[in-house]
Amino acid sequence: QVQLQESGPGLVKPSETLSLTCTVSGDSFSSYYWSWIRQSPGKGLEWIGYIYYTGSTNYNPSLKSRVTISVDTSKKQFSLRLSSVTAADTAVYYCAGYDDSSAYDYWGQGTLVTVSS
Amino acid sequence: SYELTQPPSVSVSPGQTANITCSGDKLGDKFACWYQQKPGQSPVLVIYQDSKRPSGIPERFSGSSSGNTATLTISGTQAVDEADYYCQAWDSSTAVFGGGTKLTVL
Repeated sequence: QVQLQESGPGLVKPSETLSLTCTVSGDSFSSYYWSWIRQSPGKGLEWIGYIYYTGSTNYNPSLKSRVTISVDTSKKQFSLRLSSVTAADTAVYYCAGYDDSSAYDYWGQGTLVTVSS
Repeated sequence: SYELTQPPSVSVSPGQTANITCSGDKLGDKFACWYQQKPGQSPVLVIYQDSKRPSGIPERFSGSSSGNTATLTISGTQAVDEADYYCQAWDSSTAVFGGGTKLTVL
């Protein structure tokens, strides 16, 4: 069974960079595509991007200029960096994984990140 | 950019059938999946590849897709099924979510 856990600051100042890490426990780290998905308060789900264990990435075009997702296979972790944040980036950030089914089987519990001075 | 459209809300009486639709251009040519999200919880996959049910998901959840519309059907809806439901599909290696549908069981 795969479990995911997000970690990182819950408060980020405007114009700074949001950084989060997701730690994966269980087997099959190299079998999944690992993603970040966010949900603004009271709103729907927004896909941020994914990374494969090889380092291959793809990002949401609307966020691409500000997003970097990286992976550390030795630690079974992947990370999100979102630059130049504003209040609009306040959201619960989820890490999630999908395999050949192309559907997100596994989700972290989510972490609330607030952008405020 | 690709868009998926869901009705904001659907109401159903206990024991009845709930149908939640998801519309997108040529959605039937892609695989759609569905997630259930209850307040304060992470989403849970309930249907993948249009109509497949993950292990542990009750049989009352089913899915179908044709043309421009995918449909999540909940047969014999129970109070515990009250939640937000999101459809999702892939377009050009980018995941797209629908806006979500709040299912009320009353």
